[in-house]
Amino acid sequence: TQLLEQSPQFLSIQEGENLTVYCNSSSVFSSLQWYRQEPGEGPVLLVTVVTGGEVKKLKRLTFQFGDARKDSSLHITAAQPGDTGLYLCAGVSNSGYALNFGKGTSLLVTP
Amino acid sequence: ETGVTQTPRHLVMGMTNKKSLKCEQHLGHNAMYWYKQSAKKPLELMFVYNFKEQTENNSVPSRFSPECPNSSHLFLHLHTLQPEDSALYLCASSPTTSSYNSPLHFGNGTRLTVT
Repeated sequence: TQLLEQSPQFLSIQEGENLTVYCNSSSVFSSLQWYRQEPGEGPVLLVTVVTGGEVKKLKRLTFQFGDARKDSSLHITAAQPGDTGLYLCAGVSNSGYALNFGKGTSLLVTP
Repeated sequence: ETGVTQTPRHLVMGMTNKKSLKCEQHLGHNAMYWYKQSAKKPLELMFVYNFKEQTENNSVPSRFSPECPNSSHLFLHLHTLQPEDSALYLCASSPTTSSYNSPLHFGNGTRLTVT
């Protein structure tokens, strides 16, 4: 199993602050996906990164895939309470059939 | 409305009970998955079905038995569970099992408590 380590595990910030969360592995992934899970709901896909060094932006969220395709980061600018949730990264498993997930970063943004 | 519907949302069962979790997707996808989500652990892949055929069984105990009668429906039959099986069980679907270009669409899960 290819392990994905996410950090920090928990993050509590105030509205308007910037933050970065990380997803690291010793394995190379063909792609990584980021999901957000809100309480009482299932994870929802935010973005997929495929190419080493790739940067994708989704409004205030910026996703980066490491050059060696072993790590990824998510940067949120001017966080809002609506950004609260569990952020999960996931990579394609060795079998190619399904995703391996990290434990996630639990983010709380207070007004 | 996520396109993937799971029932029931909550389930409490004793260790000797038999129950089933149901998942239905209205997205026209061909692959369906069961994941287990426990506190402080990564999502654990349990089973994968592609075109109704099981393609992955991730060393899941036999007290969990999946069934996929067609590409739109997926069941997880439960019997003689243990308290450590208490978790959120998530169903997901994707167009195919080629995950990098087929993101998962999750249901909202069944919160299972085994007493």
